[in-house]
Amino acid sequence: GENVGLHLPTLSVQEGDNSIINCAYSNSASDYFIWYKQESGKGPQFIIDIRSNMDKRQGQRVTVLLNKTVKHLSLQIAATQPGDSAVYFCAEKGGTSYGKLTFGQGTILTVHP
Amino acid sequence: NAGVMQNPRHLVRRRGQEARLRCSPMKGHSHVYWYRQLPEEGLKFMVYLQKENIIDESGMPKERFSAEFPKEGPSILRIQQVVRGDSAAYFCASSLLTGDSGNTIYFGEGSWLTVV
Repeated sequence: GENVGLHLPTLSVQEGDNSIINCAYSNSASDYFIWYKQESGKGPQFIIDIRSNMDKRQGQRVTVLLNKTVKHLSLQIAATQPGDSAVYFCAEKGGTSYGKLTFGQGTILTVHP
Repeated sequence: NAGVMQNPRHLVRRRGQEARLRCSPMKGHSHVYWYRQLPEEGLKFMVYLQKENIIDESGMPKERFSAEFPKEGPSILRIQQVVRGDSAAYFCASSLLTGDSGNTIYFGEGSWLTVV
């Protein structure tokens, strides 16, 4: 979806818990989705991606779920660690053939030791 | 880790001056993208370039902003006559191919522009 600016959603968890970060996207023609992690003062760091012909993909400690029916994307982080604290963005790419990404508003994840 | 390299990391300019931001893509990448991020917002697409060509500049402001990716050297994002509203983080990204599904888009660490 479109960025709304201030007042990013926040998620606070305890170290070792599982985290789920959600994202709603707007373009039904989007065929590729990416989750990025952004720490303060740094650039977005690629976490995991998923194509529209899949509904689940797993990485190391992370799982992305895609529900095209309701245009919803989620990122699950297992055994969350303090180093996971950051802003997490979902991004979507439309049916065009290059990397013009549309970013969601971001979610601030805070992991308490 | 020869990732996307951007410089300068931080730049302060007075209103009316020019800002030049440089980006060297990852080795072997010929597709470069510039994004802008305002505080507490996601990144917004500005322009997509290949060597010596601007492919899509639909996110670029019509005036004062320009971008290039010459045959030799880094990509340059140029902002003329900067205003306070230009203060933001500017991120460069690159991909190996066209960024289609499966061709990961990698971002640099950004250039933070402050206009005083």
